[in-house]
Formats: sequence, C-alpha cells, structure tokens
Amino acid sequence: KNEVEQSPQNLTAQEGEFITINCSYSVGISALHWLQQHPGGGIVSLFMLSSGKKKHGRLIATINIQEKHSSLHITASHPRDSAVYICAVRWYSARQLTFGSGTQLTVLP
Amino acid sequence: NAGVTQTPKFRVLKTGQSMTLLCAQDMNHEYMYWYRQDPGMGLRLIHYSVGEGTTAKGEVPDGYNVSRLKKQNFLLGLESAAPSQTSVYFCASSFTALVIGANVLTFGAGSRLTVL
Repeated sequence: KNEVEQSPQNLTAQEGEFITINCSYSVGISALHWLQQHPGGGIVSLFMLSSGKKKHGRLIATINIQEKHSSLHITASHPRDSAVYICAVRWYSARQLTFGSGTQLTVLP
Repeated sequence: NAGVTQTPKFRVLKTGQSMTLLCAQDMNHEYMYWYRQDPGMGLRLIHYSVGEGTTAKGEVPDGYNVSRLKKQNFLLGLESAAPSQTSVYFCASSFTALVIGANVLTFGAGSRLTVL
C-alpha cells in the first residue's frame, strides 16, 4: 500500500527556534502538498511542490524526488505557528491525494 | 469571499438516522471533494466530483452517497448513520485535478458529526 509518513508526530519548540517537519513517501509522485490545520480546525494550503524548493515568508518547503522526502521549515517560529501541519501526495497512478496523519506543532512563548 | 461553506458545523445523530451535509463553493471550481478526518489518521477521501452531474468513489465510500446537481454544491448523505461514521467531515474544491501549476485545494471549515 502506498504510504505517507510524517515525523515527528508532535513537536514543541520555543519561540524563535528553527522548525523542521519531515514527510516521506513510498513510491513516485507527481506533486506534494503542505497544509496547515489551525487549532479551530480550518485547513489552509501552504505549498504545492513537484521539485526543488518554495518559500513564502518564514515558511520554506523542499522536496528531494530521488529520496522520496520533503521537509517543511519554519524560521523564527512564533506561537501563532502552532498548528497541525499535513503532508499530502498525489501518486503517479492516482487522481487524488493521500494524506499523512499530520505533525502537531506547539510553539511556546 | 465565502470560499467553501459547509453546513451544518455540528450535528448529533442517533444510529439509523439520516442526514445530509451541504458544501457550497463560490469560486467556480470544477472539482469538489468530501473527506473525513479521524484521530491519528490522515484525511481520507469519501467521494469526489469532477464536474456538475458527476460523482466518483474515493477511498472510504461505504455508507455515504453524494450528489452534484449544481456546479457550486456538493451534498454528502448518510442514509443510516452508524457510530463508525462519527468524524469530522471536510469539503474541499479545486479548479482541476491537483497536478499542475499553483492549483491548490480550498477547504471548508469542517462539520463535526457524532453518531450515538
């Protein structure tokens, strides 16, 4: 079964720290998404990647196709970054997305 | 700027009751999706639609039905609710298949359903 694994499951950091969340997947993909789920439940798309690196503000997403791995980095973390971060992939053979179970990030002031 | 609107936000049902969740989007998106989210698991696709009048099964379709009579609306029905259907349900939409360019999913705020 094609799988998406995220690590860590839970992460607690102090304000200002550099955060890294990882996503690994089992077979070839055509695209990878990073999503943010707020404490209230709403889900927002952050990035869609098929190669290389994307940056938006303090968020950076990278993907290594050969290693089947992506990372989401948050620089100068802030308590408002506290959320669940979700990785999702589109397998080559599929029309839809497969989601990871998420990483719960808590940033303490 | 409504985006994707789900109703109701909360509902408690008894086993065997039926209900319908409504998803409405005002972005002229072609694709619409219904997901469920359970603790410790990733979002799982229930059904989806690639355009008005079309529907297709996702990963976990059993016990659910859907309809897309109008482009802007995607309805999720539970004909005979079971406790296993207690979950948070999310609707999402996108312009096309999630393959190219900057196309991303836009999610609703979620609907929390409890089946007793």
